[in-house]
Amino acid sequence: KQEVTQIPAALSVPEGENLVLNCSFTDSAIYNLQWFRQDPGKGLTSLLLIQSSQREQTSGRLNASLDKSSGRSTLYIAASQPGDSATYLCAVRGMNTGFQKLVFGTGTRLLVSP
Amino acid sequence: DAMVIQNPRYQVTQFGKPVTLSCSQTLNHNVMYWYQQKSSQAPKLLFHYYDKDFNNEADTPDNFQSRRPNTSFCFLDIRSPGLGDAAMYLCATSRGPGQGYEQYFGPGTRLTVT
Repeated sequence: KQEVTQIPAALSVPEGENLVLNCSFTDSAIYNLQWFRQDPGKGLTSLLLIQSSQREQTSGRLNASLDKSSGRSTLYIAASQPGDSATYLCAVRGMNTGFQKLVFGTGTRLLVSP
Repeated sequence: DAMVIQNPRYQVTQFGKPVTLSCSQTLNHNVMYWYQQKSSQAPKLLFHYYDKDFNNEADTPDNFQSRRPNTSFCFLDIRSPGLGDAAMYLCATSRGPGQGYEQYFGPGTRLTVT
């Protein structure tokens, strides 16, 4: 059974810091991994999608890496801003869990203070 | 802009009173999903439609039903809501059937059961 874990559960940093969020998954047989942002009481906004054949994806100040063999992904946020405060979720689409299904971690709650 | 729309954004229902949540999409995607997300938990897939084919997750309670009358619309029916069904309900779409496709989420409907 695919399980996704995110560490840390919560993170508080001052504005301007570079930071790394971690995601690990137990079954390395995946199609892709997706990082989402969720603001309080809101839906999910897709940030980055990494296919299993890729090592990393970049969008603006965000960079996500994928090491499929070790079951890990990281989301790097450069020069953090208060507007980055949100919960960040990673999710994997596994080959052994039905290819339409995303399995989510419980998220990292990020607070960036001015 | 192409998007996933959910109505209503907030729904209050009484214990045992049937309720229907609505999702529509302008992306013309083949696959539509319903997720349940309880407070501080990861989203959990309830079921999905691939075109008209309905796929129920094994642990989705019978109390939850879904309808997809056409490509654009999908409904979540909760026949007899209990207090434990209070949650955020998220609708998502993807192009399908390829395994590499990204999922796009709506803003969610927050359901309160009194």
